[in-house]
Amino acid sequence: ETGVTQSPTHLIKTRGQQVTLRCSSQSGHNTVSWYQQALGQGPQFIFQYYREEENGRGNFPPRFSGLQFPNYSSELNVNALELDDSALYLCASSSPGTGVSRDPSPSATGELFFGEGSRLTVL
Amino acid sequence: DQQVKQNSPSLSVQEGRISILNCDYTNSMFDYFLWYKKYPAEGPTFLISISSIKDKNEDGRFTVFLNKSAKHLSLHIVPSQPGDSAVYFCAASAVGYGQNFVFGPGTRLSVLP
Repeated sequence: ETGVTQSPTHLIKTRGQQVTLRCSSQSGHNTVSWYQQALGQGPQFIFQYYREEENGRGNFPPRFSGLQFPNYSSELNVNALELDDSALYLCASSSPGTGVSRDPSPSATGELFFGEGSRLTVL
Repeated sequence: DQQVKQNSPSLSVQEGRISILNCDYTNSMFDYFLWYKKYPAEGPTFLISISSIKDKNEDGRFTVFLNKSAKHLSLHIVPSQPGDSAVYFCAASAVGYGQNFVFGPGTRLSVLP
């Protein structure tokens, strides 16, 4: 079983530039979520894609956009980069279905499987 | 406004003893809670979850307790091992949130040999 992979692992951009981050979801997962983790903070939800459609969005401006492809891989695009966009960007995939499982067993759907993240530095 | 709080940024515990990590939430709509563990240079990995219909869930050395009236949950690790040293995140979600999990800021656990 292939896990969630993200690229690039590290990148440096300057203010005003645009960046594209990529994510391949775990085999069998059709839902991809993107999170931003700033230094010393927990991951913050950016948006989620399910079957190539945006399916929920957090409190992020429109310059954060995404795509999901037929093979369920995904991209996160950030335009007009700002210094505060420097963070670890985490992609997470989850098993079929969009609801949160109420079954607390570890194998239940609903849990997120994270990649290692893409660390973006904006200078 | 932080909906999920982990008020202890760090915790040190002796190997073999119990580690207790705490998490408080403010949104009474939350009904599903998870704990994730994160090592440096790795993504968070799922540890254990609990839904609001239960007050305890156990998986090996890890037990999560939920006190809905206090809006508080805790993760107990017993016995603690040096390999448990990591940052632990509490996360919460609610019906209608889809899989938009709200994460706490994390607690760094150090298990000393």
